[in-house]
Amino acid sequence: GNSVTQMEGPVTLSEEAFLTINCTYTATGYPSLFWYVQYPGEGLQLLLKATKADDKGSNKGFEATYRKETTSFHLEKGSVQVSDSAVYFCALGDGANSKLTFGKGITLSVRP
Amino acid sequence: DADVTQTPRNRITKTGKRIMLECSQTKGHDRMYWYRQDPGLGLRLIYYSFDVKDINKGEISDGYSVSRQAQAKFSLSLESAIPNQTALYFCATTGVGSNEQFFGPGTRLTVL
Repeated sequence: GNSVTQMEGPVTLSEEAFLTINCTYTATGYPSLFWYVQYPGEGLQLLLKATKADDKGSNKGFEATYRKETTSFHLEKGSVQVSDSAVYFCALGDGANSKLTFGKGITLSVRP
Repeated sequence: DADVTQTPRNRITKTGKRIMLECSQTKGHDRMYWYRQDPGLGLRLIYYSFDVKDINKGEISDGYSVSRQAQAKFSLSLESAIPNQTALYFCATTGVGSNEQFFGPGTRLTVL
């Protein structure tokens, strides 16, 4: 079956630091890959996505590249802000059923 | 107005009580989902529905039931609540052929 593995957290960074959050997946076929973000007290919202190998998703300064050879979709940002403090979820999409398989999520805290 | 709404937002109940969580969406999508979120476990799928007459179990459906009253409404019921059902519950929706799910704000349920 499909699965998503995220690096263990939590992660605490200083403002303007570089961020990398690792995500690897196991899937049959050609899934879509997503990063969702959950700000405190809110639901999940889509941060970025990639639908095929070598695609790069980007939004709000965050980027992730769909790497089929390493089955990875790592999230990066060059300079984090306090407002980026949230929980980040990597997810894999089963196109046929529109079902998502989520990683466990990682909490990012950015201090001033 | 929010595209996906959930009621109630917070609920405290006692063991053995029946409780219903409601979800409505205005996006016109056919597919709706119920997840629960537990710390360190990410989101896990409880039930999903492709239309009013098509309801499917997810990975953790035991102890839960659902009702799809209309295209826009999808309710989750706990027939006899137990403490390990204490969690944050999310409803989501997506269109046919898409993996991009839109989430409600969540319901925080506590079972004493």
